Amino acid sequence: ETGVTQSPTHLIKTRGQQVTLRCSSQSGHNTVSWYQQALGQGPQFIFQYYREEENGRGNFPPRFSGLQFPNYSSELNVNALELDDSALYLCASSLGISGGVGRNEQYFGPGTRLTVT
Amino acid sequence: GEDVEQSLFLSVREGDSSVINCTYTDSSSTYLYWYKQEPGAGLQLLTYIFSNMDMKQDQRLTVLLNKKDKHLSLRIADTQTGDSAIYFCAESIGNTPLVFGKGTRLSVIA
Repeated sequence: ETGVTQSPTHLIKTRGQQVTLRCSSQSGHNTVSWYQQALGQGPQFIFQYYREEENGRGNFPPRFSGLQFPNYSSELNVNALELDDSALYLCASSLGISGGVGRNEQYFGPGTRLTVT
Repeated sequence: GEDVEQSLFLSVREGDSSVINCTYTDSSSTYLYWYKQEPGAGLQLLTYIFSNMDMKQDQRLTVLLNKKDKHLSLRIADTQTGDSAIYFCAESIGNTPLVFGKGTRLSVIA
């Protein structure tokens, strides 16, 4: 069973640029969630994709956008990068059940460290 | 709204027990989780507890839940240097996104 993978591992961008981060979900999982973890903080929920549709969004501006593909892999895009976007971006996959009440056991990838200068 | 609070630091001697505490505000939480994060790595799911349980034991880990006080704890027995990491408490209601605390940095002194 393949775990959650993310690419790239590290990335340095300049303020105002755009970035795309990628995530491959664990085999059999249909839901991907993205989190931002600033230094010294816990992860903050950005958004979630379930079967290629956005299924919830946290308190992040529209310049944070995402996509999920038929194979359930996902991308996180950030436009007009700001210095405060520097963080570890974590992707987590789970077996989601739309509208269901169940265990939200999420498995995390190693993250992408984004530095904005 | 949801909020999860943890103490920021804990230092223990190798072989002792560690107890990491967490409080949460949302009484609707159905599942509570403990994750471990080692330096430069993602989050590893350690264990979870359903809100109608008081205790769960899994090898060296014991989770205690006091639903009345909205207090969750993680006890690590016979703490080893390899247990040094940041431990996050997280809550969710069904399939809603996880809400994390800021993490407790556990330092194990040999």
